[in-house]
Amino acid sequence: AQSVTQLDSHVSVSEGTPVLLRCNYSSSYSPSLFWYVQHPNKGLQLLLKYTSAATLVKGINGFEAEFKKSETSFHLTKPSAHMSDAAEYFCVVTTTSGTYKYIFGTGTRLKVLA
Amino acid sequence: EAGVAQSPRYKIIEKRQSVAFWCNPISGHATLYWYQQILGQGPKLLIQFQNNGVVDDSQLPKDRFSAERLKGVDSTLKIQPAKLEDSAVYLCASSTGDAKNIQYFGAGTRLSVL
Repeated sequence: AQSVTQLDSHVSVSEGTPVLLRCNYSSSYSPSLFWYVQHPNKGLQLLLKYTSAATLVKGINGFEAEFKKSETSFHLTKPSAHMSDAAEYFCVVTTTSGTYKYIFGTGTRLKVLA
Repeated sequence: EAGVAQSPRYKIIEKRQSVAFWCNPISGHATLYWYQQILGQGPKLLIQFQNNGVVDDSQLPKDRFSAERLKGVDSTLKIQPAKLEDSAVYLCASSTGDAKNIQYFGAGTRLSVL
């Protein structure tokens, strides 16, 4: 069965410093992986996706993630945090066949300090 | 392109009352999902439709929750009777249903059961 673990429930960074949000996955199949962001009182917005092409995936707003099969990880990074990045981030794993069901992590709340 | 529309945005009811939520997916999206997101947790899939047929409702509490997508477009989710533990954000998402499986989310309906 597929699962995903977000290793930090809260992360605080100063504006202008790097962001690292950690995600480990478990999947019996070749996984598809996603990162979504949720701003307060908003729906989830797709940041980026990995679907077995390049292992380094670039997304919107300067975010990127690297798929590491040997470490079963898909960590999200950004070189320089902006105040507008403060939000909840969700790592998602899905199978590449069948119903393509999303399995969500518990989320990481990112706080950006001025 | 219009996104996923949901209404109402907020709803407050007393326990044992009934409530209904409405979702209009992105035009042309065959697959529609309803999720329940309890505060501090990741979204949990309640039901998945492919056109007007149910693909997965294994996590739907069928004694009180029901959902329909009669014409393969709009969908409604109903709770009757509501319990205190149903307080959550109910998210609707849609996708083309193909292998890319990018799900697009609405802003959600925040339900408070008193």
